[in-house]
Amino acid sequence: AQSVTQPDIHITVSEGASLELRCNYSYGATPYLFWYVQSPGQGLQLLLKYFSGDTLVQGIKGFEAEFKRSQSSFNLRKPSVHWSDAAEYFCAVGKVAAGNKLTFGGGTRVLVKP
Amino acid sequence: DAGVIQSPRHEVTEMGQEVTLRCKPISGHDYLFWYRQTMMRGLELLIYFNNNVPIDDSGMPEDRFSAKMPNASFSTLKIQPSEPRDSAVYFCASSFGRGNNEQFFGPGTRLTVL
Repeated sequence: AQSVTQPDIHITVSEGASLELRCNYSYGATPYLFWYVQSPGQGLQLLLKYFSGDTLVQGIKGFEAEFKRSQSSFNLRKPSVHWSDAAEYFCAVGKVAAGNKLTFGGGTRVLVKP
Repeated sequence: DAGVIQSPRHEVTEMGQEVTLRCKPISGHDYLFWYRQTMMRGLELLIYFNNNVPIDDSGMPEDRFSAKMPNASFSTLKIQPSEPRDSAVYFCASSFGRGNNEQFFGPGTRLTVL
């Protein structure tokens, strides 16, 4: 069965500093990979996705993620964090054979210090 | 497009009462998903539909939970009778096309069972 691990439950970062959120997955083939963001009291919004091709993926709000097959990772990065980036971030993996189902990681809550 | 619409946004009820959560997916989307989010268990997939047909309900916690999709533009998740441990945020999401795992989430319904 596929699984997703986000090792960091909480991360605190200063405004303007860089951010990296870790995501590791377990799956036998190349999965479809996603990062979602959830602001307080809101639903999940897609930041970016990887299906195939270039392993460095650009998303909205200045985020990017890199797929590394050898490490089974799909880490999310942002060079300079804004206070509005404080939210919870979820990594997810899916596969066609699962009928568009997604398996989500436990999430990483990001706190931004002024 | 208005996005995925859920109602009500908040529901407070007493133990033993019936609760019905509603979802309108994005027009044209053929997959619909119901999730439950709690602090303890994170984001859990309860059930999903394809073309109004339930495909996988293995995440439905017990017989007190039921979901229907009478047509392509409406789905309900019912809990009868409700219990305090059902308190959570329930999300509906939709997607279009097999192999496209990108899911669009609604704002969620926050359910409190007293």
